[in-house]
Amino acid sequence: SQQGEEDPQALSIQEGENATMNCSYKTSINNLQWYRQNSGRGLVHLILIRSNEREKHSGRLRVTLDTSKKSSSLLITASRAADTASYFCATAPNAGNMLTFGGGTRLMVKP
Amino acid sequence: DAGVTQSPTHLIKTRGQQVTLRCSPKSGHDTVSWYQQALGQGPQFIFQYYEEEERQRGNFPDRFSGHQFPNYSSELNVNALLLGDSALYLCASSPIGGRAGDTQYFGPGTRLTVL
Repeated sequence: SQQGEEDPQALSIQEGENATMNCSYKTSINNLQWYRQNSGRGLVHLILIRSNEREKHSGRLRVTLDTSKKSSSLLITASRAADTASYFCATAPNAGNMLTFGGGTRLMVKP
Repeated sequence: DAGVTQSPTHLIKTRGQQVTLRCSPKSGHDTVSWYQQALGQGPQFIFQYYEEEERQRGNFPDRFSGHQFPNYSSELNVNALLLGDSALYLCASSPIGGRAGDTQYFGPGTRLTVL
């Protein structure tokens, strides 16, 4: 079963705009990770944020984590057509590292 | 440095048949996990192998089984295929026993179609 929900399920923006995706989860976690998937192929790891962190940056990506609300957000700034993909959040438990994924947000960036 | 590789890329089977998918982990990694991703959904954890043994298992029936070899590569076997087994099967590897918090590196996947 899915750990949680991602919102929105689909997002369409113009190049240069920012894209924000949200993720909610249900159980306590060790960390939360965001992945990108192009055209139903393999997942590419974007960023990992640990449960004791509140915000993390990587290039044009900014991730926040609110463990009290069991939610996270991924912000992509100055989007490009190449950012068009599906984005998934995944949570890792405190023991072991099996990942539990959300349903994903399908992002389309129009040139 | 080769990443995670999977074979075959695509596979078409009929109901009732059996299938074997293969995965080679990233160099230096010893833990392999398998995920099933149905169309339009997020991946779901099937099981994880470490030291040639199944260490964790998700909510999948016994028709799904696996194996890990001494060189850390792994196979996923699915028996008595059902139409609902049609999905993208993803392999992921992680280093040093797959500790909590380790990043997992995913392969390109095997697209299985059951007719």
